[in-house]
Amino acid sequence: DAGVTQSPTHLIKTRGQQVTLRCSPKSGHDTVSWYQQALGQGPQFIFQYYEEEERQRGNFPDRFSGHQFPNYSSELNVNALLLGDSALYLCASSLKPLNLDQPQHFGDGTRLSIL
Amino acid sequence: ELKVEQNPLFLSMQEGKNYTIYCNYSTTSDRLYWYRQDPGKSLESLFVLLSNGAVKQEGRLMASLDTKARLSTLHITAAVHDLSATYFCAESPNQGAQKLVFGQGTRLTINP
Repeated sequence: DAGVTQSPTHLIKTRGQQVTLRCSPKSGHDTVSWYQQALGQGPQFIFQYYEEEERQRGNFPDRFSGHQFPNYSSELNVNALLLGDSALYLCASSLKPLNLDQPQHFGDGTRLSIL
Repeated sequence: ELKVEQNPLFLSMQEGKNYTIYCNYSTTSDRLYWYRQDPGKSLESLFVLLSNGAVKQEGRLMASLDTKARLSTLHITAAVHDLSATYFCAESPNQGAQKLVFGQGTRLTINP
């Protein structure tokens, strides 16, 4: 049973560049959420996708955008990268947005470093 | 503003001792989650607490939820080195989606 998979595992970019991170949800899950975890902090919710639409968004600027594909996989795009975007980006999957009785399952994350 | 506060943020303890991590949250949510994170790794789900008075135990870890006090606790019994990790609590505010609001995490170090 494949868990949540993310790619790439590490990425180094420079300020002003653009980046795309990818996520495949756990088998049987249809909802994908993205989180940003700065060093030494708890994860912060970026947004959630269900049925190929953004359902809820956290307090992140429009430079952060996403997409969900018909096979439920998802991408996170960040434009005009800033030094402060350096973080671990975690993807979490679940079954339906409102299925609160089950935990979200997290991938291993993409470590993004901005130089 | 939604807020989840954990204390302590850092905890160093000896093997065999007992301790409790506290998690206070700000909304009327009745669902609380505990996760474990090892260095450089992702988050592993430990407990899902679904109602007031819920208590769950797995091995040396026991979690409880008091929705009236907006407080959850994670109790460690007779700690062993393998439990060294960062522990996060997270709430799911009832806003129509399974968004999680995390605490800052408690970094637990268990010394032999």
